[in-house]
Amino acid sequence: LAKTTQPISMDSYEGQEVNITCSHNNIATNDYITWYQQFPSQGPRFIIQGYKTKVTNEVASLFIPADRKSSTLSLPRVSLSDTAVYYCLVGDWTGGFKTIFGAGTRLFVKA
Amino acid sequence: DSGVTQTPKHLITATGQRVTLRCSPRSGDLSVYWYQQSLDQGLQFLIQYYNGEERAKGNILERFSAQQFPDLHSELNLSSLELGDSALYFCASSPRQVSEKLFFGSGTQLSVL
Repeated sequence: LAKTTQPISMDSYEGQEVNITCSHNNIATNDYITWYQQFPSQGPRFIIQGYKTKVTNEVASLFIPADRKSSTLSLPRVSLSDTAVYYCLVGDWTGGFKTIFGAGTRLFVKA
Repeated sequence: DSGVTQTPKHLITATGQRVTLRCSPRSGDLSVYWYQQSLDQGLQFLIQYYNGEERAKGNILERFSAQQFPDLHSELNLSSLELGDSALYFCASSPRQVSEKLFFGSGTQLSVL
């Protein structure tokens, strides 16, 4: 089972900022939080990764509170091409480390 | 382009048959991961290899097997195929044994008729 919980879907409009929150209550002390983007019939693509506080790159920002039990992926000024499934991932240390993806959040950007 | 190569891109076969999917990781990456993605099951972790050794196992059926060769490419063998095995199979790679940052290939679309 995935160690994360995300909203199943979200809708937005072009030009808006989108925030997707992920819960990971049982995150391990040494775990990073990683986000992926997946378009239909393509492999997931790494977006951003962080351990604590805030991380920003050319694509997105990742906000992580001090307790690290949740994280928020922020996509600034989305466009139609940002319509995709977004996955939040933390390591699963059950019986050895595994990279388990949850159900993800299906983001639909409208014109 | 992630640098991970999967072949073939499409595969159509019949129930009961056996197929082999191939993956070449990014240059320098020692870990290879296999995932299965179907419409009703999402992205399911199957198995991970690191430098030729099996390191983690997920929901991989006994009819499925995998291996990683000395040149680090990997093969996923699917046998006694059933209709429900139709799915997109992804390979991913990473430099280390423990990593949440994976690089995915474009997948092999398997259709079992």
